[in-house]
Amino acid sequence: EIVLTQSPGTLSLSPGERATLSCRASQSVSSSYLAWYQQKPGQAPRLLIYGASSRATGIPDRFSGSGSGTDFTLTISRLEPEDFAVYYCQQYGSSLNTFGQGTKLEIK
Amino acid sequence: QVQLQESGPGLVKPSETLSLTCAVSGYSISSGYYWGWIRQPPGKGLEWIGSIYHSGSTYYNPSLKSRVTISVDTSKNQFSLKLSSVTAADTAVYYCARGHYDSSGYYYPFDYWGQGTLVTVSS
Repeated sequence: EIVLTQSPGTLSLSPGERATLSCRASQSVSSSYLAWYQQKPGQAPRLLIYGASSRATGIPDRFSGSGSGTDFTLTISRLEPEDFAVYYCQQYGSSLNTFGQGTKLEIK
Repeated sequence: QVQLQESGPGLVKPSETLSLTCAVSGYSISSGYYWGWIRQPPGKGLEWIGSIYHSGSTYYNPSLKSRVTISVDTSKNQFSLKLSSVTAADTAVYYCARGHYDSSGYYYPFDYWGQGTLVTVSS
């Protein structure tokens, strides 16, 4: 089973700043099958990034993903007020999916 | 537009079986997609429970495998989750979701999710 570790646990930034979130896997993620989700309180997760770097339909280009193997990054280039939420990474390349524990992005 | 809707009891007694259904609209469940269940205990992160593929193959979280069954009912265009011998630790919001793969075998993650349903385990 692949374990995903996200850092930091909480990130405090101001609107307009750049956010960098990390996701590290305990072993290599097959075919870069790494996704990022955004979740706001009381809502289901929303797919942002798949295949480590491809934006899902309708996702603004300020969201970008990068990485391969065991190290992945989600970058939000310029934070908007609606971006403050919890972000999860997920590996879906093996038949046993796993999620990271999440990074909370809060307003400073 | 694909829509998923979870349904089932909101309260389950300890040691009993939790049963949830996910009704799918806007797409045939028998097409080339896979379907999954994910849960989230109050105030905590997401936990993948398991998935069922178009082929009928199922895969479960090893920590839950002995208690979980996921099945599909194509006649009703829905899929189901059964979790046996529940305890308070199974209290969570349960989500159903859809993933897919293309003709080349490239996989995509869960892109459509239900709104989630809270299940509380208590006597």
